[in-house]
Amino acid sequence: QKEVEQDPGPLSVPEGAIVSLNCTYSNSAFQYFMWYRQYSRKGPELLMYTYSSGNKEDGRFTAQVDKSSKYISLFIRDSQPSDSATYLCAMTDNAGGTSYGKLTFGQGTILTVHP
Amino acid sequence: DAGITQSPRHKVTETGTPVTLRCHQTENHRYMYWYRQDPGHGLRLIHYSYGVKDTDKGEVSDGYSVSRSKTEDFLLTLESATSSQTSVYFCAIRATNTDTQYFGPGTRLTVL
Repeated sequence: QKEVEQDPGPLSVPEGAIVSLNCTYSNSAFQYFMWYRQYSRKGPELLMYTYSSGNKEDGRFTAQVDKSSKYISLFIRDSQPSDSATYLCAMTDNAGGTSYGKLTFGQGTILTVHP
Repeated sequence: DAGITQSPRHKVTETGTPVTLRCHQTENHRYMYWYRQDPGHGLRLIHYSYGVKDTDKGEVSDGYSVSRSKTEDFLLTLESATSSQTSVYFCAIRATNTDTQYFGPGTRLTVL
């Protein structure tokens, strides 16, 4: 079983829909969570990062962490065709410091928002 | 793109040949990483560096070596390329005092 599980999709939604992307994990030591967006043939770009449980909002994007359930989510409101990309969750059991900062990634979910 | 460049961006090579990929950063970050990305596997860490001449293995390091003689450059070498090393390779840096990483544009490598 992988440490981080992410439904690869693909996920196809109409413009304006609310999108929910999810990851589950097994390592209870993970405490720092990230979402990356990757356009086709590009490098991943950091979208959101959160520390421990709770919600964080940035424009149309909300990242949610539930450590008790070992479950994280990314919500996209009013989705746009420009949101079409692969979304990767990533997490670590470090919090800066002197460790090498190993990130564990999900497989990525392919999202298409059609007009 | 956090000042990260990778070269070459595309390469086709034959089995058994040596290949070196270069990652260059302009912002003096201490930590640098090499990942490969394959369908169904997400991003997997190959090697990382925590300073000049300081490197260590990641989860898929077999068949790869790295070197870092300057802060700004991190080289990934395939000593004798195999078809299983066909992949997209990403370099990343770690932002100071956080665990967030920023990625380069990637190198698409095909081994025939």
